[in-house]
Amino acid sequence: DGGITQSPKYLFRKEGQNVTLSCEQNLNHDAMYWYRQDPGQGLRLIYYSQIVNDFQKGDIAEGYSVSREKKESFPLTVTSAQKNPTAFYLCASSPGLLLAKNIQYFGAGTRLSVL
Amino acid sequence: KQEVTQIPAALSVPEGENLVLNCSFTDSAIYNLQWFRQDPGKGLTSLLLIQSSQREQTSGRLNASLDKSSGRSTLYIAASQPGDSATYLCAVGGDTGTASKLTFGTGTRLQVTL
Repeated sequence: DGGITQSPKYLFRKEGQNVTLSCEQNLNHDAMYWYRQDPGQGLRLIYYSQIVNDFQKGDIAEGYSVSREKKESFPLTVTSAQKNPTAFYLCASSPGLLLAKNIQYFGAGTRLSVL
Repeated sequence: KQEVTQIPAALSVPEGENLVLNCSFTDSAIYNLQWFRQDPGKGLTSLLLIQSSQREQTSGRLNASLDKSSGRSTLYIAASQPGDSATYLCAVGGDTGTASKLTFGTGTRLQVTL
């Protein structure tokens, strides 16, 4: 079954703690993305990656970090520097960054809350 | 900076009705525009993608149009069904070099009643 798998579905973070959200895809897509969704707001881009070992900051990268060591995986770490981490986090992938038919496919999301 | 607005924020219609959702954007230099559907607590599902050179795309009961010069897109849903109830998001892809950096609207929450 091809698709994007995000885990866990729910995550709780304590003060001062770093937490990592997992995103795995088996679609053989080159590009991957992380978005944050807050109530009443559109999705905002945190980080994106065009290819293995390369990634770029999006619009709200502060307090977050990523890695892209494998094509299939793009984990997001929410660091203690992110003071308002409570949100719904969505991972997406697409065949490439600049292809004409560049539909993004989304995972089911991870809901992060602060204890 | 690109801004995307969706009106209305919420809409309730009886089953069987045809409806139109609106999306407007401030910078007409876009690469493409996508419409997505999001069910509560779930990820997004792509419904239609329109390239900047296209005027419309159709898929089943859905028809999306794009008027780049006026910065507008509409999503037309024919013969609505209760299963269409969801939040509909539009997103514009930036110009060359940032094509996949989507800017999202805040969505229209649709409820189709029996």
